[in-house]
Amino acid sequence: GAGVSQTPSNKVTEKGKYVELRCDPISGHTALYWYRQSLGQGPEFLIYFQGTGAADDSGLPNDRFFAVRPEGSVSTLKIQRTERGDSAVYLCASSPGQGYQETQYFGPGTRLLVL
Amino acid sequence: AQSVAQPEDQVNVAEGNPLTVKCTYSVSGNPYLFWYVQYPNRGLQFLLKYITGDNLVKGSYGFEAEFNKSQTSFHLKKPSALVSDSALYFCAVILGGSARQLTFGSGTQLTVLP
Repeated sequence: GAGVSQTPSNKVTEKGKYVELRCDPISGHTALYWYRQSLGQGPEFLIYFQGTGAADDSGLPNDRFFAVRPEGSVSTLKIQRTERGDSAVYLCASSPGQGYQETQYFGPGTRLLVL
Repeated sequence: AQSVAQPEDQVNVAEGNPLTVKCTYSVSGNPYLFWYVQYPNRGLQFLLKYITGDNLVKGSYGFEAEFNKSQTSFHLKKPSALVSDSALYFCAVILGGSARQLTFGSGTQLTVLP
């Protein structure tokens, strides 16, 4: 596709359950980012991949959060033992991966609601 | 310490009037500054960025922004607002060094009144 895609668009789960959120970046983009946007706030950084490896995971809030990108394209954000405070919009972005000042292009997000 | 601030939660402007959405930053070294727009239930759309060079940056949909180093500001402007410009606007910065991620302001809701 032409842009970043994310699935599902909405996810409702119960407290304590496990969820996976998927991101498909722009073709050829080697850099991929995950952000979390809570209601009324700006997005907050979670993790950054360059290729298959997590180059910076300093934004992950705790060890319940984990992300993978095994083939350097699609990425999956995994949340274990979900809590109500995890409810937010999870945004994925990608960029060509050539330099640190390049533009990041965002997907439409996955809206997660933990009941 | 806050890296980027948007002092106004809400800006209202009449259609056809010029608009300004304010952003100030606080980073060491050379800042890399961005503006994004978010429409309801949609992701962030890139408008423009300042990396180096001319202080006046032109972007998408007729928007521009002026980088002012002495005032540490990067205000978003448009000469004539449209009702369709109504949206949530975010200023963001890359902190430099080894950082690659964007650090966002809290956002400004722009409403253009017909």
